[in-house]
Amino acid sequence: EVQLVESGGGLVQPGGSLRLSCEASGFTFSGYDMSWVRQAPGKGLEWVSGISGSGGRTNYADSVKGRFTISRDNSKNTLYMQMNSLRAEDTAVYYCVRGWGSDWGQGTLVSVSS
Amino acid sequence: DIQMTQSPSSLSASVGDRVTITCRASQGIRNDLGWYQQKPGKAPKRLMYAASSLQSGVPSRFSGSGSGTEFTLTISSLQPEDFATYYCLQYNSYPYTFGQGTKLEIK
Repeated sequence: EVQLVESGGGLVQPGGSLRLSCEASGFTFSGYDMSWVRQAPGKGLEWVSGISGSGGRTNYADSVKGRFTISRDNSKNTLYMQMNSLRAEDTAVYYCVRGWGSDWGQGTLVSVSS
Repeated sequence: DIQMTQSPSSLSASVGDRVTITCRASQGIRNDLGWYQQKPGKAPKRLMYAASSLQSGVPSRFSGSGSGTEFTLTISSLQPEDFATYYCLQYNSYPYTFGQGTKLEIK
């Protein structure tokens, strides 16, 4: 059974940093591209960033480019998102997603507020 | 970037109704499209991939069609558990983009 478990969310002040993690199990982690998708309170889904199975290729939404960095450690079956220079508009539930959206984690809430 | 325009944004229907939701892409995406169902407080669940392939375990009353720029999700006979919000996602090219969502409510 595929499992994706996010952690690392919380309350942070504007301008602060946070690192999200997603621990994967139940599949060959290195064989899949992975993504982060977020959902602001009461809003729709927004794709944030993706990374290839090897980690050699990354992509970002314009809204986070230059502030967020996606990475992965295939030896630990873990996906990461380093989030810097956080803004109020980054407040959202962040989901870890396998491939083209076949499996999703339960999400972790990031709140950016003073 | 590819824009996905989803319609309608909301829809009221009754149990047993047939409903259709549409997504239009701003440029051709072949059949690189998925449909997702989300219930309040829950993660989205994939219903369809490759525009018309049914995700394992999803009831056959759900179907998808389309290619290129126009896509539809059809629910042939609404059941009480189908009242939720639905999204399309294009994964043809980065950045991936979602439609704005369709909230399906009970009439």
